[in-house]
Amino acid sequence: DTGVSQNPRHKITKRGQNVTFRCDPISEHNRLYWYRQTLGQGPEFLTYFQNEAQLEKSRLLSDRFSAERPKGSFSTLEIQRTEQGDSAMYLCASSLTILDRADYGYTFGSGTRLTVV
Amino acid sequence: EDQVTQSPEALRLQEGESSSLNCSYTVSGLRGLFWYRQDPGKGPEFLFTLYSAGEEKEKERLKATLTKKESFLHITAPKPEDSATYLCAVQAGGNKLVFGAGTILRVKS
Repeated sequence: DTGVSQNPRHKITKRGQNVTFRCDPISEHNRLYWYRQTLGQGPEFLTYFQNEAQLEKSRLLSDRFSAERPKGSFSTLEIQRTEQGDSAMYLCASSLTILDRADYGYTFGSGTRLTVV
Repeated sequence: EDQVTQSPEALRLQEGESSSLNCSYTVSGLRGLFWYRQDPGKGPEFLFTLYSAGEEKEKERLKATLTKKESFLHITAPKPEDSATYLCAVQAGGNKLVFGAGTILRVKS
């Protein structure tokens, strides 16, 4: 296993367009997370899945954002009608979490950098 | 609301000059405190998880400690390759990590 894979690495889009990002987690992990990071800040939580169930969503996740994880494998994050404020690094992470303990941490991918022009 | 504050924002060290990074937190029911390293253009890389006050963990030149209000990341005899942003995060109720803004470390040879 080569870790958490995210595609594309970079995306430039025009304001108002829709974009979709993909995340392939570590296969043995049972949880998958999406975070957003802007320059000079730490990652901010967006949402997470336990297998295929989306269990928590942040207030940051407006109606324009939707995440899916069909069959509990890869996940997609879609942003509709993008705005310039959506420009950020979108990070995916996965973890093997047992009884709410992630002893080996969350493994992050390299992220997708979105630029909305 | 869960909150994490890291200090200093930036730190410049000479190679071999030991120092510490601070992570102060306010959280209702700490389930874990995490330290990560992040290089430019990459995702955070896991370093340590600490669960209870008094716990310590070490990895090469890094040592993390935890009290009831803060955590320290001690860097002993740093090398230029230790230059990175170090992020602290807490896991409270629920399953999300709340991150601080990070400390940018630069080690000059």
